[in-house]
Amino acid sequence: QKEVEQDPGPLSVPEGAIVSLNCTYSNSAFQYFMWYRQYSRKGPELLMYTYSSGNKEDGRFTAQVDKSSKYISLFIRDSQPSDSATYLCALRYSSASKIIFGSGTRLSIRP
Amino acid sequence: EAGVVQSPRYKIIEKKQPVAFWCNPISGHNTLYWYRQNLGQGPELLIRYENEEAVDDSQLPKDRFSAERLKGVDSTLKIQPAELGDSAVYLCASSPRGSAGTDTQYFGPGTRLTVL
Repeated sequence: QKEVEQDPGPLSVPEGAIVSLNCTYSNSAFQYFMWYRQYSRKGPELLMYTYSSGNKEDGRFTAQVDKSSKYISLFIRDSQPSDSATYLCALRYSSASKIIFGSGTRLSIRP
Repeated sequence: EAGVVQSPRYKIIEKKQPVAFWCNPISGHNTLYWYRQNLGQGPELLIRYENEEAVDDSQLPKDRFSAERLKGVDSTLKIQPAELGDSAVYLCASSPRGSAGTDTQYFGPGTRLTVL
């Protein structure tokens, strides 16, 4: 069983829609949860970081962590064509451990 | 401020040939990472440097892969000999301190390797 599972998509939604991206994980020892965005032919860039359960909001982006269900989500409000990219969830056991990435979800926002 | 620089951006070689990738991290970043990203997958850590020291190379296939970070700045990742399964994007990242805490890792654009 993979440590992190993420639906690869592709996911296509119209501009302005609310997007929900999700990952599940198998080990309750994960403590740090991140979302990275990766444009085509580019390296990943950190979008959101959360520690422990709860919500964190940054502009149009909201990251949600449910440790009891081992489920993390990223919501994008008022989606824009510029949000079209691959979104990778990423987890860490501790602040010093390596990052475990999900396989990424390809998102396309239609104008 | 310049980001992480990697070269070459693309490389096509035949199997059994050697290949090398170069990375220049963001100025002042002590920690440097090499990742491999297969098509449709997330990046996987190959090796992490704290200054000149390789502190985590457990995922580096040491029979054919080697890396160095002389003087604690630039780094080179080498594959010799390359195999078909090595085709992937090789990403370099850097962060300002050790991986403790939540230091953001800044990624370069990667080198896309194709082994024929």
